[in-house]
Amino acid sequence: LAKTTQPISMDSYEGQEVNITCSHNNIATNDYITWYQQFPSQGPRFIIQGYKTKVTNEVASLFIPADRKSSTLSLPRVSLSDTAVYYCLVGAPTGRRALTFGSGTRLQVQP
Amino acid sequence: GAVVSQHPSWVICKSGTSVKIECRSLDFQATTMFWYRQFPKQSLMLMATSNEGSKATYEQGVEKDKFLINHASLTLSTLTVTSAHPEDSSFYICSALAVTDTQYFGPGTRLTVL
Repeated sequence: LAKTTQPISMDSYEGQEVNITCSHNNIATNDYITWYQQFPSQGPRFIIQGYKTKVTNEVASLFIPADRKSSTLSLPRVSLSDTAVYYCLVGAPTGRRALTFGSGTRLQVQP
Repeated sequence: GAVVSQHPSWVICKSGTSVKIECRSLDFQATTMFWYRQFPKQSLMLMATSNEGSKATYEQGVEKDKFLINHASLTLSTLTVTSAHPEDSSFYICSALAVTDTQYFGPGTRLTVL
């Protein structure tokens, strides 16, 4: 499975846009990119998944450049409730295989 | 949307006892479920893959005789921690694979072994 690299932590303020970048230099042709959010003492929650270019849903946007060696999760106008750990995963379209979680990015949103 | 539940949400037991954790997909069927373990401040680590009607596949280093997995129906998988010890104290999380190939996670079960 392709290894991912994310910043360990990020800080932001309410109302700002937050962009979390993930590097996955060894991504395979068939791999998808998936992001999960996890609050303390809760299971991860699926945010968004994409293969190339841009994907947008009601929660976030995912930007994937042409070489697919990185991706950026964009959270528009964050609030305090967006404080969580965000995981970037790369692999088969989530999941016929189990997911390999990296260390994630701990996002702290300040008032 | 797809919902996965776990029961209990937390459990405290004495060392040497066994604890059963249930994972249910409430509004969809899941032939495959996964069990993860998460220690404080760490990421999720896969323990085993549970397939309905067949034996579970365990990750290297996970004792299959200690962590018994039963996936008897398309909506239920159970994890039994046998002869639990304090080092088994952790946050256990299951996920269920939907036909859309998206994994949906349960809320987790906090196990504390005294």
